[in-house]
Amino acid sequence: DTAVSQTPKYLVTQMGNDKSIKCEQNLGHDTMYWYKQDSKKFLKIMFSYNNKELIINETVPNRFSPKSPDKAHLNLHINSLELGDSAVYFCASSQQVSSYEQYFGPGTRLTVT
Amino acid sequence: GEDVEQSLFLSVREGDSSVINCTYTDSSSTYLYWYKQEPGAGLQLLTYIFSNMDMKQDQRLTVLLNKKDKHLSLRIADTQTGDSAIYFCAESKGGSYIPTFGRGTSLIVHP
Repeated sequence: DTAVSQTPKYLVTQMGNDKSIKCEQNLGHDTMYWYKQDSKKFLKIMFSYNNKELIINETVPNRFSPKSPDKAHLNLHINSLELGDSAVYFCASSQQVSSYEQYFGPGTRLTVT
Repeated sequence: GEDVEQSLFLSVREGDSSVINCTYTDSSSTYLYWYKQEPGAGLQLLTYIFSNMDMKQDQRLTVLLNKKDKHLSLRIADTQTGDSAIYFCAESKGGSYIPTFGRGTSLIVHP
């Protein structure tokens, strides 16, 4: 059974479009995260949710809007996509906000043309 | 410079030991981690060490921490082809468990 799953795995879209990436974890964890890995392999935190509440919001353009309908799901919606949004987006979860171990999804490769 | 630095590539022969090195800048780092990423998969926590430890051994893996030099290494004994992956070094501080990652070292194991 997949612990942290993301859909889609690949996403190719044009500039200006709006797209969503979904994430689900079946581990019963309280805390979920979105990370962005750019073309130079830098992996940076974007958002963190704990029990559906936003707790970390790094300096991310407000075109990015996370939504957590329940604590097992954390979706990422991106408006008005730009070329610089091309990256691999990883979802992760941890048991609670103070847990040091995070479980990562397989990533979604977003290509904006 | 980057907060966490590591070399980008390492090539070893099967059966040899691999040593992946990492340096970090923040002396208040509390936890230091090694994550492994296999092709097409997410990152998986391989091992971690608390900043008050010098060494941690777990089967074929040995983690060494030199806190004075802010240097972390991961040694994989008897490296196998299945160890081929990208290895990410990361650190986090107490109170914030969000890791800061290095760019990853691609380990290539050849026969």
